[in-house]
Amino acid sequence: LAKTTQPISMDSYEGQEVNITCSHNNIATNDYITWYQQFPSQGPRFIIQGYKTKVTNEVASLFIPADRKSSTLSLPRVSLSDTAVYYCLVGGAGSYQLTFGKGTKLSVIP
Amino acid sequence: GAGVSQSPSNKVTEKGKDVELRCDPISGHTALYWYRQSLGQGLEFLIYFQGNSAPDKSGLPSDRFSAERTGGSVSTLTIQRTQQEDSAVYLCASSNKQGQYGYTFGSGTRLTVV
Repeated sequence: LAKTTQPISMDSYEGQEVNITCSHNNIATNDYITWYQQFPSQGPRFIIQGYKTKVTNEVASLFIPADRKSSTLSLPRVSLSDTAVYYCLVGGAGSYQLTFGKGTKLSVIP
Repeated sequence: GAGVSQSPSNKVTEKGKDVELRCDPISGHTALYWYRQSLGQGLEFLIYFQGNSAPDKSGLPSDRFSAERTGGSVSTLTIQRTQQEDSAVYLCASSNKQGQYGYTFGSGTRLTVV
């Protein structure tokens, strides 16, 4: 399983765009990149998944460079309710042993 | 159901007692997973069920831990002779196929062993 590295914490003001970058140098050819969000006392919630280039949904965008050794989760115009821990995971089809690191604790400040 | 349901949401037990944690996955999801999350830590994989195949138990920390999945739906995680280090949040997730489209997690069971 590819190991991921992401910042332990980030602070942002309300209304700003937040970019959280994850490094995964050992990503395999068939690995997908998936991001989850976790609020206190809740299970992680799927945000977005991608393989290469850019993926966008109603919540976030995921940017993946050509070498796929990193990825950036972009949250547009964050609000206080976006304060949570964000996890980056890498794994391929059949990779069910998701390895969650400690994630990035995002604190949104009024 | 609409989401993954876990019960109980909280459980306090005395050291040495057995506990059972229940997970109701999303209807139609063939894959079911159990994870454990200790305070301030990431998630630790415990066990994986896929359809009628033999489960992958490689993440279970000791033989005091076991899990079953009946009828390809509801799962029960059993911890025998609980120890204080078993205190954690136990999370269940389900997915279609093998998680290519993300897992749906329940809210977890917070287990406290006193």
